[in-house]
Amino acid sequence: GEDVEQSLFLSVREGDSSVINCTYTDSSSTYLYWYKQEPGAGLQLLTYIFSNMDMKQDQRLTVLLNKKDKHLSLRIADTQTGDSAIYFCAESTGTASKLTFGTGTRLQVTL
Amino acid sequence: DTAVSQTPKYLVTQMGNDKSIKCEQNLGHDTMYWYKQDSKKFLKIMFSYNNKELIINETVPNRFSPKSPDKAHLNLHINSLELGDSAVYFCASSRGGNYGYTFGSGTRLTVV
Repeated sequence: GEDVEQSLFLSVREGDSSVINCTYTDSSSTYLYWYKQEPGAGLQLLTYIFSNMDMKQDQRLTVLLNKKDKHLSLRIADTQTGDSAIYFCAESTGTASKLTFGTGTRLQVTL
Repeated sequence: DTAVSQTPKYLVTQMGNDKSIKCEQNLGHDTMYWYKQDSKKFLKIMFSYNNKELIINETVPNRFSPKSPDKAHLNLHINSLELGDSAVYFCASSRGGNYGYTFGSGTRLTVV
């Protein structure tokens, strides 16, 4: 089945690193995504990783994938106040390009 | 120039009414979606169209009817609105495969 879980809340201080975790259950997932949602806005694609990779880096963002444990993480280096948002992981099983989203993690960045 | 645009942004209506939400994308994508986000921010797919053809129809009450007049438009019509329909509805589009989605900014529906 498809079930994507995330912790609900994370608070970090400005300048520290943030790590947002996600677990999924569908082993046939081909791509995994991270989206950011700011208040009152739609979801913005941040980055994605193919299931045969274990790491992807894109500027301040690092995605780690542990396919054996079905665990995905997003690390944000040097977290800024503008990074405060809800972060969603999502998996695609290739079925009509359908994405199943996680429960979302609210990141709060404090000064 | 907005890539995926939804109208209206806010919709407040009484129980029992019928309402429509419109979505248009100018990205040339073949696939469009409707997602519902509830008060806990949980996102659930409702429908998907590929080149005007319905390809995903999740367990959604038949009061909800999508319509795609062409591949750039996907509208959502809701009959006999109920309190539980209150949510933010997001339209999205994709060029297919596993390229991810581009989302609209959402329509906040409040049923009173």
